[in-house]
Amino acid sequence: DTGVSQDPRHKITKRGQNVTFRCDPISEHNRLYWYRQTLGQGPEFLTYFQNEAQLEKSRLLSDRFSAERPKGSFSTLEIQRTEQGDSAMYLCASSLGSTGPQETQYFGPGTRLLVL
Amino acid sequence: DQQVKQNSPSLSVQEGRISILNCDYTNSMFDYFLWYKKYPAEGPTFLISISSIKDKNEDGRFTVFLNKSAKHLSLHIVPSQPGDSAVYFCAASGGQNFVFGPGTRLSVLP
Repeated sequence: DTGVSQDPRHKITKRGQNVTFRCDPISEHNRLYWYRQTLGQGPEFLTYFQNEAQLEKSRLLSDRFSAERPKGSFSTLEIQRTEQGDSAMYLCASSLGSTGPQETQYFGPGTRLLVL
Repeated sequence: DQQVKQNSPSLSVQEGRISILNCDYTNSMFDYFLWYKKYPAEGPTFLISISSIKDKNEDGRFTVFLNKSAKHLSLHIVPSQPGDSAVYFCAASGGQNFVFGPGTRLSVLP
């Protein structure tokens, strides 16, 4: 399977706990994106990497959120001190390009987070 | 401030007929537009895209039309099939900006 994969698919946690999600992009893709999607809304951009460099972060990404892509391959998204408002689907996407995020992004199945 | 709008939350169409999904955008810096389809419990799947230098792009049953002066694009599905029932997202990008609309739920009735 050469698609984008995400782990875990579901996560239930208590408020105040930390959670970490993993994304494995399509192997030849140099760009990786994180999005958050809540019910009835489209995906909202959080951050993106070109190789290992984090090039942009949305203002949605508070200081409780951190993302890494240490070797330019897989990426992790960590949420510290989770709040109930963090409950959402977290989507990862990857793409191949070098001129700006104008190329097609391919999405993983998402990680659904529920904060109790 | 929604930069990408899909004003119809839902649409029902009879099998075999045409489905037309609409999308409006406000940012004139957007120069690349995409449509994604999403089934429940799955991530969005890329359908078709169009660059701002074109006004039409066709791929099988799917055609996207772009009207730059009106800042409007539409996705036509002909003929519609029950398997097309899903949520359709319009997305727009330009520079470092990539924005999705809220989606339109399409139901194709047999």
